[in-house]
Amino acid sequence: DAGVTQSPTHLIKTRGQQVTLRCSPISGHKSVSWYQQVLGQGPQFIFQYYEKEERGRGNFPDRFSARQFPNYSSELNVNALLLGDSALYLCASSLDPYKTQYFGPGTRLLVL
Amino acid sequence: AQSVTQLDSQVPVFEEAPVELRCNYSSSVSVYLFWYVQYPNQGLQLLLKYLSGSTLVKGINGFEAEFNKSQTSFHLRKPSVHISDTAEYFCAVSDPNTNAGKSTFGDGTTLTVKP
Repeated sequence: DAGVTQSPTHLIKTRGQQVTLRCSPISGHKSVSWYQQVLGQGPQFIFQYYEKEERGRGNFPDRFSARQFPNYSSELNVNALLLGDSALYLCASSLDPYKTQYFGPGTRLLVL
Repeated sequence: AQSVTQLDSQVPVFEEAPVELRCNYSSSVSVYLFWYVQYPNQGLQLLLKYLSGSTLVKGINGFEAEFNKSQTSFHLRKPSVHISDTAEYFCAVSDPNTNAGKSTFGDGTTLTVKP
């Protein structure tokens, strides 16, 4: 079975731009979570979606938003990019919010 | 609020030696505990998890961890490491009663296995 997939794998943007990252969960998984991993640190929770509804939100500014589609795939949007948004963005899926998460390979975002 | 402290940022060890990566957590409620491994330029791979039951948990690649509720610890061990175990290791905790999908991670331990 295919694991969690994310696109694109790498992305370079400039300050002030907007970016959209995409995630496809494991087949049958209905919950998707997003994490930001800054170099040298552990991942930090951004959002969780389940059945197209937001189930949790981490301590991130309103520039960060996400949504989940009927096929359970998800997009993470970041507006007005800052240099500090440079990070590896990880998507994780699970059967439901109470089950074990499985992570994708991540999207590496560089903001110049 | 939950928090995770990985007590060693870097652990160098020789090949075939035993290793222990230490993890302490802080939580006022019951917990799920996880160890993940991250190889360079890759995502996170689940090594093992504690959800309930036996406090000794066995995972992939010969790793095991022991849940110690009184010491709020979940240390990762391997009796004999290989060069290929060189990677970043993350301990994580989540609350099974509210949102298991919101995991709190430690800052990681870099394991370097030397020949």
